[in-house]
Amino acid sequence: DQQVKQNSPSLSVQEGRISILNCDYTNSMFDYFLWYKKYPAEGPTFLISISSIKDKNEDGRFTVFLNKSAKHLSLHIVPSQPGDSAVYFCAASTTGNQFYFGTGTSLTVIP
Amino acid sequence: DTGVSQDPRHKITKRGQNVTFRCDPISEHNRLYWYRQTLGQGPEFLTYFQNEAQLEKSRLLSDRFSAERPKGSFSTLEIQRTEQGDSAMYLCASSSPGEVPYEQYFGPGTRLTVT
Repeated sequence: DQQVKQNSPSLSVQEGRISILNCDYTNSMFDYFLWYKKYPAEGPTFLISISSIKDKNEDGRFTVFLNKSAKHLSLHIVPSQPGDSAVYFCAASTTGNQFYFGTGTSLTVIP
Repeated sequence: DTGVSQDPRHKITKRGQNVTFRCDPISEHNRLYWYRQTLGQGPEFLTYFQNEAQLEKSRLLSDRFSAERPKGSFSTLEIQRTEQGDSAMYLCASSSPGEVPYEQYFGPGTRLTVT
């Protein structure tokens, strides 16, 4: 039972434009959400987090939006750069320790 | 390099054999996590340690799997009587005490192939 879903397996964006990666979840008890970026042959790298008391968190070019009523979060990357090309995972947790990951979205930023 | 390290990076074993993986977390991190990732999927949580105490275990962690963190530093994950379905990337992550949500730093993983 997939509690965290990333329905777009891939996304292509022109360099300089906005990338929007989406994530849906089913468990209303999730309170903590993370986004990770993964390059081939490496472990995931933490990008940004948000807890349920907020609806937005920004860190440089990365912004995460949380809509608890819709059980939806999104990651915005502005402006997109070729080095952002990677697989992006969202993850959710009730406790902040056991995280459930989505299946990932492969982002390609075209120069 | 002071990141999370895992050893070995690759392991090929025959069905029925036992394997053991090691994870060395970032030195000041007291929390350590094991995940498993198969092709096309995200990481799946297996277990979590705070210092030497194993606090959470997934139902994915069958009786053939055991994890230890004897002195609250490095951790080992052992799989007994391996099956072909155990073939996956095994990821270790660590995090420091602090505000939730806990930022988990991942190692490069150990890729297990069971033939």
